[in-house]
Amino acid sequence: EDQVTQSPEALRLQEGESSSLNCSYTVSGLRGLFWYRQDPGKGPEFLFTLYSAGEEKEKERLKATLTKKESFLHITAPKPEDSATYLCAVQAGSSASKIIFGSGTRLSIRP
Amino acid sequence: GAVVSQHPSWVICKSGTSVKIECRSLDFQATTMFWYRQFPKQSLMLMATSNEGSKATYEQGVEKDKFLINHASLTLSTLTVTSAHPEDSSFYICSARPSATSYNEQFFGPGTRLTVL
Repeated sequence: EDQVTQSPEALRLQEGESSSLNCSYTVSGLRGLFWYRQDPGKGPEFLFTLYSAGEEKEKERLKATLTKKESFLHITAPKPEDSATYLCAVQAGSSASKIIFGSGTRLSIRP
Repeated sequence: GAVVSQHPSWVICKSGTSVKIECRSLDFQATTMFWYRQFPKQSLMLMATSNEGSKATYEQGVEKDKFLINHASLTLSTLTVTSAHPEDSSFYICSARPSATSYNEQFFGPGTRLTVL
C-alpha cells in the first residue's frame, strides 16, 4: 500500500535557526513528489515537484531534495512569515492521477 | 499563473438543505479536478476525482449520492452536498491539474468552509 509519512508533526524554531522537514514514502513507481505550504484556513500553495532521486529544487529560503525513500525540505534562516503547515504528497505509478498526502509538519518560527 | 478559485469561501446552512460549491481554473484548462475534505489539524482527504465530460470517481467510503460532482467544462467543477447534516461541516478544497501533459502538479483553490446548523 502506498504511504507517505512526515516528521516531525510540529516544529518550533527561532528566527534564523535552520532545520529540515522529512517526508518518507513507500510507493510503487514514483511519478512525482510534491511539496505544498498551507496557511490556516486556506488551500495548499504549490512549492516544488521532484521526479527522481538526486534532484534538488530551491525557492528563496527553501530547498527540497529527493532520495529513493525520502524527501527533505530544508529551510535556511527562516523568518516568522515562513510559519505554516508544510505538506508532502506523492503520485504513484499505480494511482492514475491522484496524489497521496502526508499528515503535514506544522512549522512555527518565533521572532 | 495556475490560479484556482472557489465559491463561496464560506457558507452556513440549515440541516436538510443542499449546498453547491464551485471550483474554477482561471488561467488554464483542467481535464481533471479533485475534491478534498479537511478536518481541523488534519491533512487533506481525497473525496473524488472529477474528469470533464464523464462521471466522477469516488474514494472508498464517500457517498456519491450525497456528494454530487459535475465537471461540465474544462474550467469548472461543482460539488453539491445534498441534504446536509451537521457532520458534513468541514473545509472543502478543490484542486485542478492542467491538461497540458507537462504538468503533474495539482493547484488548489482557497477552500470553502461549510457549517451546517
